[in-house]
Amino acid sequence: DAKTTQPTSMDCAEGRAANLPCNHSTISGNEYVYWYRQIHSQGPQYIIHGLKNNETNEMASLIITEDRKSSTLILPHATLRDTAVYYCIVREYNFNKFYFGSGTKLNVKP
Amino acid sequence: DVKVTQSSRYLVKRTGEKVFLECVQDMDHENMFWYRQDPGLGLRLIYFSYDVKMKEKGDIPEGYSVSREKKERFSLILESASTNQTSMYLCASGGQGHTEAFFGQGTRLTVV
Repeated sequence: DAKTTQPTSMDCAEGRAANLPCNHSTISGNEYVYWYRQIHSQGPQYIIHGLKNNETNEMASLIITEDRKSSTLILPHATLRDTAVYYCIVREYNFNKFYFGSGTKLNVKP
Repeated sequence: DVKVTQSSRYLVKRTGEKVFLECVQDMDHENMFWYRQDPGLGLRLIYFSYDVKMKEKGDIPEGYSVSREKKERFSLILESASTNQTSMYLCASGGQGHTEAFFGQGTRLTVV
C-alpha cells in the first residue's frame, strides 16, 4: 500500500525549478516522507526525507504542508541529468519497509 | 560513500534452475531488502531482513526465499526459476529509525 499519489509525468525547462507534488492525505503522526529518484536502468537514489519541517540538502528542498497531507520536492535548477522517475514514499518511524508507488516521470527539456 | 553491491548486472538462467542473487553492503546496516521491478507494477517488496538470520515476507514472497548468515550479505534465492520471474531485482540496505535506504544497481534476470 503506497499511501501516496503523484502525477504520472511532468515537464520542466532546463535551468528552471522543478516542483514535484505528492499527496499523502492518510499520513499519520509518526510517518516520514521520503523522496527517491530512479534514472533509467539504475537503482533508486535517495534524495531527501522529513517529518514536518521543511528540509534542504545539496540536491533538493522538501516542503511539507502544515497539515502534512501533501509535500513538494523542489529541484532548484533542473538539468537534463535530473530526468528520472521521482518517488514519494511514506514510511513509519519504526517500520522498516519502504513501499514505492508509481512515481512521477520528470522530463527536463533543453 | 555507502555501497550496496549486487553480484551480477545481467543474468540469464533456464527454467527450473536454482538461482542465487547476492547483495553485499559495507555500512553495517541492520536492514536489507529485496525488491523486483516490472513495467507498470513499480517496485514490489519481496523480502526484507532486520538482523542476521531474521527475515520477513514482503508483498510477493511466493517462489522466493532469502538467506542472511552475515550482517553484510543478503541473498535472494529462486528455488526453481520460472519465466514469470524475469525481472529487474534490486537490493537495498538501511539503518534503524528514520534513515534512508541505499540501493544497488540492480540485476536484470532473464529466465528462458
